[in-house]
Amino acid sequence: QVQLHQWGAGLLKPSETLSLTCAVYGGPFSGYYCNWIRQPPGKGLEWIGEISHTGSTNYNPSLMSRVSVSVDTSKRQFSLKLSSVTAADTAVYYCMYSGRNFNYWGQGNLVTVSS
Amino acid sequence: EIVMTQSPATLSVSPGERVTLSCRASQSVNSLLAWYQQKPGQAPRLLIEVASTRATGIPARFSGSGSGTEFTLTISSLQSEDFAVYYCQQYNSWPRTFGQGTRVEIK
Repeated sequence: QVQLHQWGAGLLKPSETLSLTCAVYGGPFSGYYCNWIRQPPGKGLEWIGEISHTGSTNYNPSLMSRVSVSVDTSKRQFSLKLSSVTAADTAVYYCMYSGRNFNYWGQGNLVTVSS
Repeated sequence: EIVMTQSPATLSVSPGERVTLSCRASQSVNSLLAWYQQKPGQAPRLLIEVASTRATGIPARFSGSGSGTEFTLTISSLQSEDFAVYYCQQYNSWPRTFGQGTRVEIK
């Protein structure tokens, strides 16, 4: 059974860099896409970006200048970095590990940006 | 960017009723459309992919249809555990985009 666990700092000051990691436990580690998605409190879902099993990345143009997604295949871990955060980046951040016939989500991390 | 529009925003339903949720894309997404269910305090759960294929473990009362720009999620007989927010998402092109959600609440 595949499980995802994600972690990272939950409280940031404006201009700092958000850094989250998502680890995949169990199952094969191939043919995947890892997406990062966020949800501001009380609002809907926003797609941030993704990295595929080939290493190719795609980002939301609204965040492209500040975002980076990477993978460490030896550790089965994905990472999200978002620089120069502001209060507008306050949200629950989710990783989603998916591929042909599978779709798993991390538990979510609330990241609050406040001075 | 493809804009996904869901309707209605909120649906008040009694248990046992049939529910139909709509999702419209601003341009064709072919059949690359997914539906997710989200309950308070939980991560979304995939219900339907490729417009009409139920994800593993999803009950048969959930069904999806449509292609191009018009899609529907139907719950044939609403159960108590189905009260939640439902999102559609297109993955035909980047950036991936979600609808704003439909909240299904108890009438």
